[in-house]
Amino acid sequence: EVQLVESGGELAKPGGSLRLACAASGFTFSGAWMSWVRQVPGKGLEWVGRIKRKNDGETTDYAAPLKGRFTISRDDSENMLYLQINSLKSEDTGVYYCATDVYFGSGSYFNEWGPGTLVTVSS
Amino acid sequence: QSLLTQSPSVSGAPGQRVTISCTGSSSNIGAGYDVHWYQHRPGTAPKLLIYANNRRPSEVPDRLSGSKSGISASLAITGLQAEDEADYFCQSYDSSLSGVIFGGGTKVTVL
Repeated sequence: EVQLVESGGELAKPGGSLRLACAASGFTFSGAWMSWVRQVPGKGLEWVGRIKRKNDGETTDYAAPLKGRFTISRDDSENMLYLQINSLKSEDTGVYYCATDVYFGSGSYFNEWGPGTLVTVSS
Repeated sequence: QSLLTQSPSVSGAPGQRVTISCTGSSSNIGAGYDVHWYQHRPGTAPKLLIYANNRRPSEVPDRLSGSKSGISASLAITGLQAEDEADYFCQSYDSSLSGVIFGGGTKVTVL
């Protein structure tokens, strides 16, 4: 059974940094593309970015409005996915999900999701 | 403002059919990019319902179906059940943003 479990969400101050983690099990993590998606309170889902598998260069893509403050990385030896958020802003408050990112046809979709971790940015 | 527009809410009685629409533009759905659909209940992980416009994962019942035409896509739920009460999001790719985009979500209420 595929399991994705996020952690690291907490109350943080504006301007600070956070590192979120996602522990994966039940599938071949090293062979998977992975994405982070967030949901800001009262709004819909927003894609943050993805990291491809090593065989595809382990390259990263980020949502254009978020480029610069977010960094996605992975540790295939530990089956872990990470999201580093720097220069935190109040609008980063929300629930952050990790998801398996499946490329199919003309784009990708998110096949499996974790339950999310809550990030609150407030002074 | 989402590049994919969904009506904020739709409702129906048990057993009825409801349709959720997702309207994009020439840089996303109209450009031929696939549309995918998710169900999301508060406090839980989103669930993939439809991928590549009309394909259903094996565990999703066939009373859910997806379609796409022009710059729009739709998710239909027939035989509405209480468990269908949730938020539903469409997702695609946008060439002008060079990234994944989601619709704003539609809340389905079972009367």
